[in-house]
Order: sequence, then C-alpha cells, then structure tokens
Amino acid sequence: QSVLTQPASVSGSPGQSITISCTGTTSDVGTYNYVSWYQQYPGKAPKLLIFEVTHRPSGISDRFSASKSGNTASLTISGLRPEDEGDYYCTSYTSRLTLVFGGGTKLTV
Amino acid sequence: QVQLVQSEVEVRKPGDSVKVSCKASGYTFLSYDIAWVRQAPGGGMEWMGWISAYNGHAKYADKFHDRIRMTRDTSTNIAFMELRGLTSDDTGVYFCAREGSPNHWYYDLWGRGTLVTVSS
Repeated sequence: QSVLTQPASVSGSPGQSITISCTGTTSDVGTYNYVSWYQQYPGKAPKLLIFEVTHRPSGISDRFSASKSGNTASLTISGLRPEDEGDYYCTSYTSRLTLVFGGGTKLTV
Repeated sequence: QVQLVQSEVEVRKPGDSVKVSCKASGYTFLSYDIAWVRQAPGGGMEWMGWISAYNGHAKYADKFHDRIRMTRDTSTNIAFMELRGLTSDDTGVYFCAREGSPNHWYYDLWGRGTLVTVSS
C-alpha cells in the first residue's frame, strides 16, 4: 500500500504560519476530493481537522485551513500556538477503494 | 456520551490471533461504518479496512487481506477486528474509528486505541 509523502518535520514560532504538504498520485489525491487531515498528540487518538479537502468539522479553529492542487494537498496553520505542537497526518481515498495515510509530519512550535 | 471504547492491552505470542473490540455508545450504531487503523511503534499510521455497521460488509487493505476479519454485533453495538498469524511486526496500537459520512472516507470519532504486543 503506497504512502502519501509528507515532510518529516516542520517548525514555526508562535504567531507564524506553516504549511504541511501531502503528495500523492493520480490514483488518490489527484483524482478524489476525499482528503482529510488529522492532528495527533503523543499517546492519544488522532483528531479530525479537515475533511473533503477543505471542510472543517464544527469546533475546529479557522486557524486550520487546507487546499489541493494536482496531486498535492496542503494544510496551513496560521497564528501558531504552542498547543499546535504534535503530529499531523493526511489521508486520501484511492482508486483501489481503500484509504492511504501520509507518513506524518511532526510540528514543533 | 458519543464514544468508542476499546479494550486497552492485548499480549500475544507469534502465530497467535488477537480479537480487538470497539464498543460504540451515544449514537445510532447502524448509521455509521467503522474503520480500523494501526499505528506502529515508530508512529506510522496504516489503514486496515472498514466494516459497515448496517450490513456487515467489510473491505480490507491488501496487506491484511488473507489474515484479517472484521465483524460487528448489532445487539451490543460492538465492532471487532481479528488478526491471525501474528508476528512481531504486528505490534502496535490499533484504533477503531467512525466514518463521519458514508463513503466520504473521513473519521470523526476515534477510540483511544488498543495496544497489541506480540512477543515470545
């Protein structure tokens, strides 16, 4: 099962903005608008941040935004806060009727 | 309270099987599909498959296809994931997750995870 490509780590200072990329292929990210993003703290379950490329669930701050262009999806976090520090994963539906995860990105604030 | 409650820890020997449970509460169990996701000790997440709570239809990732079985019990609102032929590579945390909308491939509710350790 292929893995979507994410940077292993990104960092930023409080108040800054950062963007995490998620690169797939025409068999997943490039064709389907079923891209999601999750935040995970150590020892905890993932938390849904974004679904269907750009949609935020209720209760998720508008500091989190996302987009897609071609085979690459992106998550942007603006106004970084210390509590944003954690791991971030993207997912995409695939042409094999399955879901694939990104390798994960560790955000340091 | 809307939640998924999982068994906490399972310890098995190589070659054994494990059956992890995921009890749903606070919502209509039949209305949402359940997926299973594994997280290896190094952190990588891996989708294992999903099961329809409504009719029990399941779809598995190719990697696990020949040794995994997902079931559900609608009388108790519990989903199960059974993995056979365990090796040390199967050590990790196994999460169940609820699909937020049918066939929309995102998970809005997660269990806390079951730690499965495979060791002789």
